[in-house]
Amino acid sequence: QIQVQESGPGLVKPSETLSLTCTVSGASISSDYWTWIRQSPGKGLEWIGYINDRGSINSNPSLKSRLTISVDTSKRQLSLKLTSVTAADTAVYYCAKGRTAPVYWGQGTLVTVSS
Amino acid sequence: DVVMTQSPLSLPVTLGQPASISCRSSQSLADSDGTTYLNWFQQRPGQSPRRLIYKVSIRDSGVPDRFSGSGSGSDFTLKISRVEAEDVGLYYCMQGTHWPATFGQGTKVEIK
Repeated sequence: QIQVQESGPGLVKPSETLSLTCTVSGASISSDYWTWIRQSPGKGLEWIGYINDRGSINSNPSLKSRLTISVDTSKRQLSLKLTSVTAADTAVYYCAKGRTAPVYWGQGTLVTVSS
Repeated sequence: DVVMTQSPLSLPVTLGQPASISCRSSQSLADSDGTTYLNWFQQRPGQSPRRLIYKVSIRDSGVPDRFSGSGSGSDFTLKISRVEAEDVGLYYCMQGTHWPATFGQGTKVEIK
């Protein structure tokens, strides 16, 4: 059974870097696409980016300059780093398997950007 | 970005009655290989989204057969043949054909 769990600090100060981890069990993290998606009251569901089995990354152009996505296969973890955050980055952040039709979503982790 | 427009945004339904949600995209979702990457998700209160249907009409494992998807090009529909209490929540369409993938605004299904 595939399980996905996001983790990270719930509160980040404006202008700082948001760092999240997604831990995967029950599936090989190196054999498919893995995606980050966020959900906020103002913007709804927004695609952040994905990493594929060859380590190639594709980021939403709206976030590309601030975004880093990486994978640590030994730990079965994906990571997301978003720099220079503002209140607009406040959202629940999800990790999911797949690119064109994400499945096996984690429960999400709420990140609030506030001083 | 491809804009996904759902209607209605709020859908009060009587238990046991059918429900239908429309999703229209600002451009065709047919890929160059002929595949249409249009998905439907259900988000129950307090839960993360759950994929119900992918590639327009393929139901995920464990999804009741009262849920069905149809459509082509830029016009798609999710139907619930007989709404049950557990179907309350938000429903989203999502396109995965064009980058970046985009979601509809969501349709809230509630019981009258």
